[in-house]
Amino acid sequence: AQSVTQLDSHVSVSEGTPVLLRCNYSSSYSPSLFWYVQHPNKGLQLLLKYTSAATLVKGINGFEAEFKKSETSFHLTKPSAHMSDAAEYFCVVRAISNFGNEKLTFGTGTRLTIIP
Amino acid sequence: DSGVTQTPKHLITATGQRVTLRCSPRSGDLSVYWYQQSLDQGLQFLIQYYNGEERAKGNILERFSAQQFPDLHSELNLSSLELGDSALYFCASSVARGEQFFGPGTRLTVL
Repeated sequence: AQSVTQLDSHVSVSEGTPVLLRCNYSSSYSPSLFWYVQHPNKGLQLLLKYTSAATLVKGINGFEAEFKKSETSFHLTKPSAHMSDAAEYFCVVRAISNFGNEKLTFGTGTRLTIIP
Repeated sequence: DSGVTQTPKHLITATGQRVTLRCSPRSGDLSVYWYQQSLDQGLQFLIQYYNGEERAKGNILERFSAQQFPDLHSELNLSSLELGDSALYFCASSVARGEQFFGPGTRLTVL
């Protein structure tokens, strides 16, 4: 079984301050992990992915995430928030079983608000 | 623009009706995924097709069905619609098991 927990449903930060969106996961298999962003009335856009290479993953728009196996976490960070970062963010775990079946599980999302 | 297209953009229909949502994947992508996003259920994986064959099933109701055609476009059929089926339906595509690229979605409203 696998699951994803996004620890905060809403996060508000001031423009220019750091962003931290938290994600914990559980998986019976070696997972791949993703962060997606969804702007209002838009589809989901891939921010970054972890697929068992480097544990610190850099994505688009200055975002990065660190895979910590011991903590089963994959938190998303950005040093300095921009107004355009206001959106919904989803942490996703993907596992492929020994039988080759693929299973994706989405977190419930974190709404990021940027305060001018 | 992800390269994944979905039609229609909006759909309004009545309870008990049947609708078909269409998805064209990115050029070269063999996998197509369908998702439902609603306020109360969040983003739920429905079903995946790979090169015309069903590959994985998620929380898809029996009233819903999908298929992928030889040209790789996919259709999601929703029948006996209920108010609770009102949601955003997303299609995504990928190369084999690579990262998924999402379409803009179809907003379904059931009255």
